[in-house]
Amino acid sequence: SQQGEEDPQALSIQEGENATMNCSYKTSINNLQWYRQNSGRGLVHLILIRSNEREKHSGRLRVTLDTSKKSSSLLITASRAADTASYFCATDNAGNMLTFGGGTRLMVKP
Amino acid sequence: DAMVIQNPRYQVTQFGKPVTLSCSQTLNHNVMYWYQQKSSQAPKLLFHYYDKDFNNEADTPDNFQSRRPNTSFCFLDIRSPGLGDAAMYLCATSRAGFSEQFFGPGTRLTVL
Repeated sequence: SQQGEEDPQALSIQEGENATMNCSYKTSINNLQWYRQNSGRGLVHLILIRSNEREKHSGRLRVTLDTSKKSSSLLITASRAADTASYFCATDNAGNMLTFGGGTRLMVKP
Repeated sequence: DAMVIQNPRYQVTQFGKPVTLSCSQTLNHNVMYWYQQKSSQAPKLLFHYYDKDFNNEADTPDNFQSRRPNTSFCFLDIRSPGLGDAAMYLCATSRAGFSEQFFGPGTRLTVL
């Protein structure tokens, strides 16, 4: 069964705007990861946040984690048309196995 | 560049006709995974290998088998594909003890 639920399922913004995607999960985790998937392609790892971390940055990406609410958010700042993709959160519950959320489809219009 | 390679990228088969998808990696990772991803859905883990140890997910249909003859290669065999098996099949790898996974480009399977 799916561990994570993502919100929104689809998001359409203009280039230059910020995009925020949310992920909620059900059980305790070791870490939470975000992946990106371009249409018809494999997934690419973006960022990993451990259960004892609250915020992490990587370039234009900012991830937060609230373990008390079992939720995470991914913020992409100053979006570009090339950011158009699906974004998945994935939780590592134990043994390094990942359970993926349903994904957010992001469209960035030029 | 170190990578995960999947062949073919697109596979068309007939209902009931066995098909094999292949995955190779140059990352020298211990762990290899096969996922099934249907349109607009999350990837669903089918099975994984930790070195030669095979681990099947409880809800993976018996129709799906896998082989890992060596560290670099892993195969997904679908013995009798049904229409419901049409999907993207993703291969991924990770280093033992690390949960970050590296994905191949996927094989899109069509069942006629």
